[in-house]
Amino acid sequence: GENVEQHPSTLSVQEGDSAVIKCTYSDSASNYFPWYKQELGKGPQLIIDIRSNVGEKKDQRIAVTLNKTAKHFSLHITETQPEDSAVYFCAASIADDMRFGAGTRLTVKP
Amino acid sequence: DSGVTQTPKHLITATGQRVTLRCSPRSGDLSVYWYQQSLDQGLQFLIQYYNGEERAKGNILERFSAQQFPDLHSELNLSSLELGDSALYFCASSVGRQGNDGYTFGSGTRLTVV
Repeated sequence: GENVEQHPSTLSVQEGDSAVIKCTYSDSASNYFPWYKQELGKGPQLIIDIRSNVGEKKDQRIAVTLNKTAKHFSLHITETQPEDSAVYFCAASIADDMRFGAGTRLTVKP
Repeated sequence: DSGVTQTPKHLITATGQRVTLRCSPRSGDLSVYWYQQSLDQGLQFLIQYYNGEERAKGNILERFSAQQFPDLHSELNLSSLELGDSALYFCASSVGRQGNDGYTFGSGTRLTVV
């Protein structure tokens, strides 16, 4: 089955800096790659997703890039703000099988 | 409010007991997924139902069972509880059976087994 690895497990940045979280997947048939943000005491929330026929997608300060050849995808957050502090999960999906990465705890220092 | 409702929010129970967690999916969603999240751990997939039928199974223990009812709400039953079952249990829903339209998660049930 699909295996998703996520790095780093923790990331600390200064407010205003950029943050990058990377994930790799094992099954080349994966075709859907969502990213979720989980704030303390809440459930994960979908923040952006990308499908295998697209290389990059942006939504304001967040962007996701996908390299199908290398089987990796990344989340980029620019101009980070303290409210971006949370745990971020990547996932890769084939048909019924959605696998999540282990999560990255992002801390944005004011 | 994500539209996915989970009850109760918190549950404290003793080892050996049985509990039922409830989830109402977002209006229009036919799939329900259950996940377990232990302290500082990732999301472990337990089981998926689509329109009342079991669709996929993950690392769900035999002591755990679930079902989805005709009104699409779902219940996760945990029995013979052990200390290690203490975790956050999330329900998520999606429109289709494959989830590649994104999941909507509830706010979770925090289970503490003492």
